[in-house]
Amino acid sequence: QVQLVQSGAEVKRPGASVKVSCKASGYTFSNYGVSWLRQAPGQGLEWLGWISAYSGNTKYVEKVHDRINMTADTSTDTAYMELRSLRGDDTAVYYCARSGHLSYFDFWGQGTLLTVSS
Amino acid sequence: SYVLTQPPSVSVAPGQTARITCGGDNIGEKSLHWYQQKTGRAPILVVYDDTDRPSGIPERFSASNSGNTATLTISRVEVGDEADYYCQVWTGSTDVVFGTGTKVNVL
Repeated sequence: QVQLVQSGAEVKRPGASVKVSCKASGYTFSNYGVSWLRQAPGQGLEWLGWISAYSGNTKYVEKVHDRINMTADTSTDTAYMELRSLRGDDTAVYYCARSGHLSYFDFWGQGTLLTVSS
Repeated sequence: SYVLTQPPSVSVAPGQTARITCGGDNIGEKSLHWYQQKTGRAPILVVYDDTDRPSGIPERFSASNSGNTATLTISRVEVGDEADYYCQVWTGSTDVVFGTGTKVNVL
């Protein structure tokens, strides 16, 4: 069965960086993309960007495009999302999700809580 | 920017029908997807491409999309359907938009 397993919770200081991993199993990793999304406490869902696991091509939302980097390692079927220059409003649960190009998010990771606080 | 508007909450008694709307400009021209999110859990896809259900999603979940409104219908509502529901579209090659979310309360 398809599974996406994310790395554990993180606590970071403002200005620091964080790298979250998403280990995929149960499907051919390179046949799909991986999107990253987040949900601030009590808020709705926000899409951050997408990476093709096949080509490494990326799309980022304008809001964070200068602070975010997504990579995909086909040797370990793992996607990564790095966010730099962290701010308090980056505090959220971060999700990875399997998705095709311009498509829906059919399988999600369990979420990774990132807390940014001094 | 493109906006998807949902009612904040919908209340329904067990066994009845819940209808959740998602409004957007010419939303019927876009592929619309619906997610269910229970408290403290990751979202799950319940409808994709306007009307299709993923494997494992009960037939009680159905949807439509036309004009400026999409609707998710939950028939014979169960206590376990209590959750937040979000609609979602891609608005171009670089933008994903989620609706504001609707909390379904099962009375």
